[in-house]
Amino acid sequence: KAGVTQTPRYLIKTRGQQVTLSCSPISGHRSVSWYQQTPGQGLQFLFEYFSETQRNKGNFPGRFSGRQFSNSRSEMNVSTLELGDSALYLCASSLNGLQETQYFGPGTRLLVL
Amino acid sequence: DAKTTQPNSMESNEEEPVHLPCNHSTISGTDYIHWYRQLPSQGPEYVIHGLTSNVNNRMASLAIAEDRKSSTLILHRATLRDAAVYYCILRASNDYKLSFGAGTTVTVRA
Repeated sequence: KAGVTQTPRYLIKTRGQQVTLSCSPISGHRSVSWYQQTPGQGLQFLFEYFSETQRNKGNFPGRFSGRQFSNSRSEMNVSTLELGDSALYLCASSLNGLQETQYFGPGTRLLVL
Repeated sequence: DAKTTQPNSMESNEEEPVHLPCNHSTISGTDYIHWYRQLPSQGPEYVIHGLTSNVNNRMASLAIAEDRKSSTLILHRATLRDAAVYYCILRASNDYKLSFGAGTTVTVRA
């Protein structure tokens, strides 16, 4: 089976812009989660989607949003980018939810200038 | 949230075992101990997990102290491909959101 794929792999934006990141889970996986990883804060949970519905949410502002499509692919959007949003954004998938082993993609590295 | 403490870095020679310690003195009875690793330029990868008993799989072994306040990940024969950051985390049965700290950076010398 193909692993979790994320596009794009690298992105450069400027403050105030918005960005959309895409994630394709492992075939058959219905749960998709998003994480932000920075050197200072480590890995932090953003949200989880299952069957096109947000099921769990971390402690991030409303500028961070996401959605999931009927084929389980997911997108994450960050609006009004700030310098502090520069990070590696990771997507993980599992068959049914967070309680299972999470399979991570390679991430999208976002740099906000 | 129960926290874990790991050394910042460890070095090993190729083909030798690596013992990675993790302290989790505030662990609760329902917390599972999980280990993930992250190779350079890749996303985290699940390694192993356990609750009370020692666990083995094809990647590693997990030794859990009797009081569960510490654990050790054992890589039996380190290879250059094992060079990564290793994260020890606790996952509660009622909150499965993953959260990693700084982890232990493992360097393997040829």
